[in-house]
Amino acid sequence: EVQLVQSGAEVKKPGESLKISCKASGYSFTTYWIGWVRQVPGKGLEWMGIIYPGDSDTKYSPSFQGQVTISADRSINTAYLQWSSLKASDTAIYYCARRGHLGGYSYGSDYWGQGTLVTVSS
Amino acid sequence: DIVMNQSPDSLAVSLGERATINCKSSQSVLFSSNNKNYLGWYQQKPGQPPKLLIYWASTRESGVPDRFSGSGSGTDFTLTISSLQAEDVAVYYCKQHYSSPFTFGQGTRLEIK
Repeated sequence: EVQLVQSGAEVKKPGESLKISCKASGYSFTTYWIGWVRQVPGKGLEWMGIIYPGDSDTKYSPSFQGQVTISADRSINTAYLQWSSLKASDTAIYYCARRGHLGGYSYGSDYWGQGTLVTVSS
Repeated sequence: DIVMNQSPDSLAVSLGERATINCKSSQSVLFSSNNKNYLGWYQQKPGQPPKLLIYWASTRESGVPDRFSGSGSGTDFTLTISSLQAEDVAVYYCKQHYSSPFTFGQGTRLEIK
């Protein structure tokens, strides 16, 4: 069974650093892209970026480029999203999602993590 | 970036009636290599992550009830719920994954009238 299990909720102060995780199981971690999506409470979904754990190829949305870092550790089947200096505006739920593929062609985000709520407040 | 625009922003439909949500992309999302539109529809219920309903614009994901259907090609797409059930109350998003950055529509909130 495919599962993406994310790390727990975090409460941080502005300026602090943070790394949240998404542990994958039930499939070959290195052969599927994993993306991150932000959702400010009560608002819509924003695509942040995506990584291919097989070779660490990473793509970012311009809106998030330079603001976060996406990485993956193949040895423990885990993807990460990190900030070096949080802002109050980073308060949101963050989801990881696998990009499924059929016959070598991508078809969408077929499995999602449960979400990690990050609260940034002084 | 490809901009996705959904309409309407919110919709109220009676139980058993048809619900239709539209999505327009600022450029074509048709992938020539497999002739598929890289457009998906997602359903998000309160407190839950999004769920993939439709991929390649018109293919239902496994386990999705057949009252959900998708249509369209190029830049104009539609999600139709043929007979609204109470459990379909949710926010629906279209998303293109044709080119990075992938982008979502703003969402359509579907309620019972």
